[in-house]
Amino acid sequence: GQQLNQSPQSMFIQEGEDVSMNCTSSSIFNTWLWYKQDPGEGPVLLIALYKAGELTSNGRLTAQFGITRKDSFLNISASIPSDVGIYFCAGRSQGAQKLVFGQGTRLTINP
Amino acid sequence: NAGVMQNPRHLVRRRGQEARLRCSPMKGHSHVYWYRQLPEEGLKFMVYLQKENIIDESGMPKERFSAEFPKEGPSILRIQQVVRGDSAAYFCASSPQGAILETQYFGPGTRLLVL
Repeated sequence: GQQLNQSPQSMFIQEGEDVSMNCTSSSIFNTWLWYKQDPGEGPVLLIALYKAGELTSNGRLTAQFGITRKDSFLNISASIPSDVGIYFCAGRSQGAQKLVFGQGTRLTINP
Repeated sequence: NAGVMQNPRHLVRRRGQEARLRCSPMKGHSHVYWYRQLPEEGLKFMVYLQKENIIDESGMPKERFSAEFPKEGPSILRIQQVVRGDSAAYFCASSPQGAILETQYFGPGTRLLVL
């Protein structure tokens, strides 16, 4: 089945640092999505990408849809304590409704 | 505008019992998706339903699991004769019409613990 490889699995950073994480796939996706999940809650959509090469920002978050359509990255600039959580990439292939999720990147911030 | 509602938030069952998980989609949404999340893992797709129809159940285990989304009322994910391996968080998501570009909005999940 389709799989997304997300890295790194975990990150420990200082408040104020920039963060970068990425997702790769062996197959092509037509949509890439980035979600954040807080403990005990469901995933919340951060950014949606619909075209290869697309670069989209949402406040301090920036995400790109790779040209090959097999990868995506998420950057967070000037991290703050509320950025702590687990970040998931998700992809949707052509004609499909279901989302395929990566394993998540757990972000921990030291004040 | 209320988001996706799931209940119960936590459910404890003994092996062999039945678990019923309910999902009320956002107002105006007629498409529902169920995902399962094991500890320290990403979400795995289970089933996609429209009102009264199962559209894609490729992620559903062949036995003991069933899902429905009746004309009236919430979507139900039913697990019969639960086993310890069924312990997980089960998330429901909804979208307005299921179009490819539409966002899926997730509920808070039901955490099932099988003793």
